[in-house]
Amino acid sequence: AQSVTQLGSHVSVSEGALVLLRCNYSSSVPPYLFWYVQYPNQGLQLLLKYTSAATLVKGINDFEAEFKKSETSFHLTKPSAHMSDAAEYFCAVSDGNEKLTFGTGTRLTIIP
Amino acid sequence: DAGITQSPRYKITETGRQVTLMCHQTWSHSYMFWYRQDLGHGLRLIYYSAAADITDKGEVPDGYVVSRSKTENFPLTLESATRSQTSVYFCASSGGTEAFFGQGTRLTVV
Repeated sequence: AQSVTQLGSHVSVSEGALVLLRCNYSSSVPPYLFWYVQYPNQGLQLLLKYTSAATLVKGINDFEAEFKKSETSFHLTKPSAHMSDAAEYFCAVSDGNEKLTFGTGTRLTIIP
Repeated sequence: DAGITQSPRYKITETGRQVTLMCHQTWSHSYMFWYRQDLGHGLRLIYYSAAADITDKGEVPDGYVVSRSKTENFPLTLESATRSQTSVYFCASSGGTEAFFGQGTRLTVV
């Protein structure tokens, strides 16, 4: 069975500051890992995904994530936060069978 | 328009009534999914389908029924709605590389 833990249901950062959203996973097989973003009243949009190629994955809007097998982590970062980054972020894991298991989400607030 | 669409976007129904949420995708993706989103739980898989006429249970299937007679459609039916089924429902489809999500249906059971 797979699971995802997102540390911090709410994260606030100042505009221009580093964004760090934490995700730890559990999987019995080599995982596929994803970060999705959800803007208010919208569906989920893929930010980036790890599928066993490079451990540092770059996504849209300058987001990136690093797969660390030893730490079972896949934290999401962005060097400089913009107001438009305010949203809910979900980490998800798959064992390659198309089904996604999601974390509980982290709401990111940007302070002007 | 290409994409994945859900209808209705908002629905209020009474306890005990049957309600069907619709999902349509235009990519001919093999896989389709229904998730529900609840505060503190993230998204949980209700049912999924690997192809037309093939469906399987997810994490929280009780009280829901699905069918998939055509590749592009994947309706979700609540046979007898309960207040615990008040939620936001998301349909998704996948062709093997990533899942694409609809805009969601906000269902309120009163």
